[in-house]
Amino acid sequence: KNEVEQSPQNLTAQEGEFITINCSYSVGISALHWLQQHPGGGIVSLFMLSSGKKKHGRLIATINIQEKHSSLHITASHPRDSAVYICAVRTGNQFYFGTGTSLTVIP
Amino acid sequence: NAGVMQNPRHLVRRRGQEARLRCSPMKGHSHVYWYRQLPEEGLKFMVYLQKENIIDESGMPKERFSAEFPKEGPSILRIQQVVRGDSAAYFCASSLLGQGMNTEAFFGQGTRLTVV
Repeated sequence: KNEVEQSPQNLTAQEGEFITINCSYSVGISALHWLQQHPGGGIVSLFMLSSGKKKHGRLIATINIQEKHSSLHITASHPRDSAVYICAVRTGNQFYFGTGTSLTVIP
Repeated sequence: NAGVMQNPRHLVRRRGQEARLRCSPMKGHSHVYWYRQLPEEGLKFMVYLQKENIIDESGMPKERFSAEFPKEGPSILRIQQVVRGDSAAYFCASSLLGQGMNTEAFFGQGTRLTVV
């Protein structure tokens, strides 16, 4: 069993839709990260969370430490949001990664 | 302040050759992490280094793989006698603070290794 589970694995949305990606983890963590990876590209860190909620533009990330769960929301989705979104948790020296959610936003 | 720089971006090696992947952390960061992303799989931790020290190499294959982060210069991930199964994207990340600290990690663009 993976330490980090994401859902859904794949997601297709129409432009403008509200999108939610979920992440559950099973280990004690010092922080949770949401990352974005474009095809053939590098990885960009979107958020780092240890509690509560953060907002950046159309992106919102929340975390519930007691339930070991985090969500990434995208409001008013746009085709340029198409990417793989990866949840990663930091525990001790290491990061554990989810397998990613592949998002495609159709114009 | 440049981000995490990895080079080369793409590397092709024949079976049996050596691959050297370089990672220059963000300025002021002394903690470096290497990850491997196999095709169709998620990222997996390989090794965590501080300047001149390997802190955690629990994710490194026991043979052919080594990593260093010298006092001067970039961190190097070295793969000797590469095999086709080593073909993957290798990502480096750096952070200002280290173990157990609530600190953001910044990722490089990755090196895509292809073994032919």
